[in-house]
Amino acid sequence: SQELEQSPQSLIVQEGKNLTINCTSSKTLYGLYWYKQKYGEGLIFLMMLQKGGEEKSHEKITAKLDEKKQQSSLHITASQPSHAGIYLCGADGGNKLVFGAGTILRVKS
Amino acid sequence: GAGVSQSPSNKVTEKGKDVELRCDPISGHTALYWYRQSLGQGLEFLIYFQGNSAPDKSGLPSDRFSAERTGGSVSTLTIQRTQQEDSAVYLCASSSQLLNTGELFFGEGSRLTVL
Repeated sequence: SQELEQSPQSLIVQEGKNLTINCTSSKTLYGLYWYKQKYGEGLIFLMMLQKGGEEKSHEKITAKLDEKKQQSSLHITASQPSHAGIYLCGADGGNKLVFGAGTILRVKS
Repeated sequence: GAGVSQSPSNKVTEKGKDVELRCDPISGHTALYWYRQSLGQGLEFLIYFQGNSAPDKSGLPSDRFSAERTGGSVSTLTIQRTQQEDSAVYLCASSSQLLNTGELFFGEGSRLTVL
C-alpha cells in the first residue's frame, strides 16, 4: 500500500519568512493533493498535482511535483499568521485518498 | 446545506457504550468517506461509499465499527462497545464524481472521547 512521509513534522517560523514542507511517497504518485487543516476544523483543499514537473500556486503557496513523481514540496513565501495550521499531503489510493501524517506550522508574529 | 455537516461535534461516552456519528454530505455528492484522526496516527481511512454501497470498507479497524448510508445522502458511523482507543476525531468528506479533481469536502468532525 502507498505510504506518504511528510517532513518536517512541525516547524515554527517568524512571520515574513519562507518555508518548505516535503511529502515523499513510497510509490509513484498519480495524483498528489495538498490540504490545510486549522485546529478543530475539517480539511480545506489547496491544490492538486498530477503531472511530473507540474507546479501550481494559490496565493502565496506554491506546490511542485517532482519529475519522477515520488515527491512533492509545498513552499510558502512571506509567511503570515493566517498560514498557521496543519498541512497534509494526500495521494490517490484508488477510490480514496491516503494521507501523510501532516506538518504542523506555527507562525510567530 | 452549503457544506458537509457532522453531528455531534463532541461526544463523551463511557467505555462499553455504543455511539452513532452522523454525516450529512453536500447535496448531490455521490461519494462519501469516513476518516479517523488521532494524535500521532494522522488521517486514517475507514470506509468509502458510492451511493448507498460501500465498495471499500477496508479501513474499519474491527467488527465493532459499521457504517451505512441511506438515500444516497446521510451516513451514520456506529461504534459498538466503545474502547478508549476509539477516542479520536471522526471526519466525514464527500465529493462529486463530476469534479474529477480529487477534491474532497470535509466536515468539521466529531470528536469522540471514551472514558
